[in-house]
Amino acid sequence: GESVGLHLPTLSVQEGDNSIINCAYSNSASDYFIWYKQESGKGPQFIIDIRSNMDKRQGQRVTVLLNKTVKHLSLQIAATQPGDSAVYFCAEKAGSARQLTFGSGTQLTVLP
Amino acid sequence: DTAVSQTPKYLVTQMGNDKSIKCEQNLGHDTMYWYKQDSKKFLKIMFSYNNKELIINETVPNRFSPKSPDKAHLNLHINSLELGDSAVYFCASSGRAGVEQFFGPGTRLTVL
Repeated sequence: GESVGLHLPTLSVQEGDNSIINCAYSNSASDYFIWYKQESGKGPQFIIDIRSNMDKRQGQRVTVLLNKTVKHLSLQIAATQPGDSAVYFCAEKAGSARQLTFGSGTQLTVLP
Repeated sequence: DTAVSQTPKYLVTQMGNDKSIKCEQNLGHDTMYWYKQDSKKFLKIMFSYNNKELIINETVPNRFSPKSPDKAHLNLHINSLELGDSAVYFCASSGRAGVEQFFGPGTRLTVL
């Protein structure tokens, strides 16, 4: 079936460096792509979303890029901080359905 | 004030028992969800519900049933618990678009 997947299960970066988390998706009908952050022992938290008719969207220290040609989504975190250590999920939403399909998650570890 | 709350946070029970997890949101949202997160952090939608319709993921056993006494509450009832039901269960809520979902802190269910 349709799925959302991530290239790397773990990512370690030095504090202050930029982080890039990648995601591959397969459902061409998805109209929203979303990134969530889940800190240890907590529920996922919305970070940023991008509509399928866009290729880039920026938030505070985060940028999401969407490449529909290769069905690829990425989350860039600028000047990564210790508080950014978490599991990051990409998710997609198709049509009028309110349900999200989540990818398998990437564990981001920020090294001092 | 907590936006989405769940009780209990931890639930340990024997196989074959029936248990419920409660969820409340004070965000005024019209849609609520239940997700299951397994030991590999994979997050999967179980149900989405608003006052008009219940959407059930076809892979969810009918031992699981959502019950909504009112718009702010969506409880999860589980009959005849099995070992494979052990997981963390998250409640969430959202507005109509369903893109930005607000998650509760999770309930860790352990079936012995």
